[in-house]
Amino acid sequence: DTAVSQTPKYLVTQMGNDKSIKCEQNLGHDTMYWYKQDSKKFLKIMFSYNNKELIINETVPNRFSPKSPDKAHLNLHINSLELGDSAVYFCASSQFSGSLQETQYFGPGTRLLVL
Amino acid sequence: GIQVEQSPPDLILQEGANSTLRCNFSDSVNNLQWFHQNPWGQLINLFYIPSGTKQNGRLSATTVATERYSLLYISSSQTTDSGVYFCAVAGTASKLTFGTGTRLQVTL
Repeated sequence: DTAVSQTPKYLVTQMGNDKSIKCEQNLGHDTMYWYKQDSKKFLKIMFSYNNKELIINETVPNRFSPKSPDKAHLNLHINSLELGDSAVYFCASSQFSGSLQETQYFGPGTRLLVL
Repeated sequence: GIQVEQSPPDLILQEGANSTLRCNFSDSVNNLQWFHQNPWGQLINLFYIPSGTKQNGRLSATTVATERYSLLYISSSQTTDSGVYFCAVAGTASKLTFGTGTRLQVTL
């Protein structure tokens, strides 16, 4: 069973389009994340949700909007795609025990190419 | 925010050799993880190790939290160990800050 899954795995689209990436975790975790990995392999957090509430929102253009319908899902919608949005987007999840964060588990990534 | 530095940036090993990868961080942390990103791009958890020492097969890791560094040891390296190794840390917030990685190539 896949712990953290993302769809689609590959996404090729034109500038200006709107697209969504879906993420689901079956680990029973209460916190989910989106990370972006650029062409130089640098990984940076974008958003984090805890029990459907936004808890981390890094400096990300407001064209990016995360949506969490329930604590097992965190989707990423991107409006008006730009060339610079081309990257690999990773979803992750973790559990908190009190104030102690536990291991973050990552999905397989979605490779987005904007033409 | 927390700064994370990894060294060396690149490493080429012959199969069977041992290596040590280092991660320095700038503040106290409550989460430190080592990941291996394989050539297909998948991020694989190696260790969750905010302090102490752990071993898993040919890999082991040690974090000295008071001195703000962690080490990843790879023994008897194999070609399948090739890829990029990332250290990532988190302080009081839950977000992981990643280092820039060590790119490892193991040759026959």
